[in-house]
Amino acid sequence: QLVESGGDTVQSGRSLRLSCTSSGFNFGECAVNWFRQAPGQGLEWVGNIRSAVYGATTEFAASVEGRFSISRDDSEAIAHLDMSNLKPEDTGVYYCTASRDGYYLDYWGQGTLVTVSS
Amino acid sequence: TQMSQSPSALSASVGDTVTITCRASDNIQSWLAWFQQKPGKAPKRLISKASALESGVPSRFVGRGSGTEFTLTITNVQPEDFATYYCHQYNYYWTFGQGTRVEI
Repeated sequence: QLVESGGDTVQSGRSLRLSCTSSGFNFGECAVNWFRQAPGQGLEWVGNIRSAVYGATTEFAASVEGRFSISRDDSEAIAHLDMSNLKPEDTGVYYCTASRDGYYLDYWGQGTLVTVSS
Repeated sequence: TQMSQSPSALSASVGDTVTITCRASDNIQSWLAWFQQKPGKAPKRLISKASALESGVPSRFVGRGSGTEFTLTITNVQPEDFATYYCHQYNYYWTFGQGTRVEI
């Protein structure tokens, strides 16, 4: 199970941290991805963090590169998405997922809403 | 890889059979999933690897295809099937189609 938290309404240019808490599976073995869904739109990949075995390296979509970062604490089975310099186009529901192997998204959270006002 | 779904919306009645098409811009082999999403809810995966039904998903949902062309067919549409459906490739990174809204 994955549970996202931290969604809020913030003003443009501000920062926000989302958290993704896991239970019931070996979180440390999984890559964690973040996706988002703007109102009335499809889903968009935001970024990911690999497992410690792969160096916990991160990658991001071009639209958020340099503004977003991801970290993880495997001892707490939690990952964070830190978002800075938020823009109105960052508004949407943010989902975290976990992948045990390859690109298959094994586990999904229920999402947390971020609203960025101008 | 870009994913293109058609139609963007369709109307159906209970008992109908509907088909949604998804085209990938690259060969994604069979690394395709279909998701169902209802308003205010997280997407729910129905099918993975193009045709493998997830546990608990009714057999009226059928996925077919490989390479670049895929379909999701819902036979005997039920009231609970009215939702938005997304195709999703996980061959290389992740992309989703723009969605097909199935409405009454």
